[in-house]
Amino acid sequence: DAMVIQNPRYQVTQFGKPVTLSCSQTLNHNVMYWYQQKSSQAPKLLFHYYDKDFNNEADTPDNFQSRRPNTSFCFLDIRSPGLGDAAMYLCATSREQQETQYFGPGTRLLVL
Amino acid sequence: AQKVTQAQTEISVVEKEDVTLDCVYETRDTTYYLFWYKQPPSGELVFLIRRNSFDEQNEISGRYSWNFQKSTSSFNFTITASQVVDSAVYFCALSTIYNFNKFYFGSGTKLNVKP
Repeated sequence: DAMVIQNPRYQVTQFGKPVTLSCSQTLNHNVMYWYQQKSSQAPKLLFHYYDKDFNNEADTPDNFQSRRPNTSFCFLDIRSPGLGDAAMYLCATSREQQETQYFGPGTRLLVL
Repeated sequence: AQKVTQAQTEISVVEKEDVTLDCVYETRDTTYYLFWYKQPPSGELVFLIRRNSFDEQNEISGRYSWNFQKSTSSFNFTITASQVVDSAVYFCALSTIYNFNKFYFGSGTKLNVKP
């Protein structure tokens, strides 16, 4: 009964080749988040959507974009992946902005 | 400024031992939430507990217990009679009234439970 689903679980891309990671939720939550987590580090928030309102963290590189076509789905686009973008990407949702965030299993991105 | 410190980078215990994971937070906001998440090797962050700043009651859930003390800005997590399945990285996190969406994570504590 997965509630936050991320596909694929593993993604290999080439340096500079655009890649899209997807996240879907069955919780009907208003807020969806994307985090980047590098090895042995804490997750780092990239951006979030409150419904259709997009909120970018100030230090998120322009190379990272996001789309939320409907309540259930949210995509992370990396326009020109560099070697430094290899990481685990975690999607999370919360019902409202002050409530608990529930995370998906993550997509591990490898950049060759 | 908001900050969460988990001073213990890695802890190793033998199964059935009790273990406490420390979390110290900093914030000037009077309304905030504290969280603990577990991250097993599979990578998913599993929610364990959420506590608001006005509720200092300690909580027990099975083998897990949490001690929230505002006087020392700490929110410590104890596992009683640890099991191998408890092996994971545990993150403490803080969010505050001025930016509930932003979690300030600690650096995590890796717990190794050996049989």
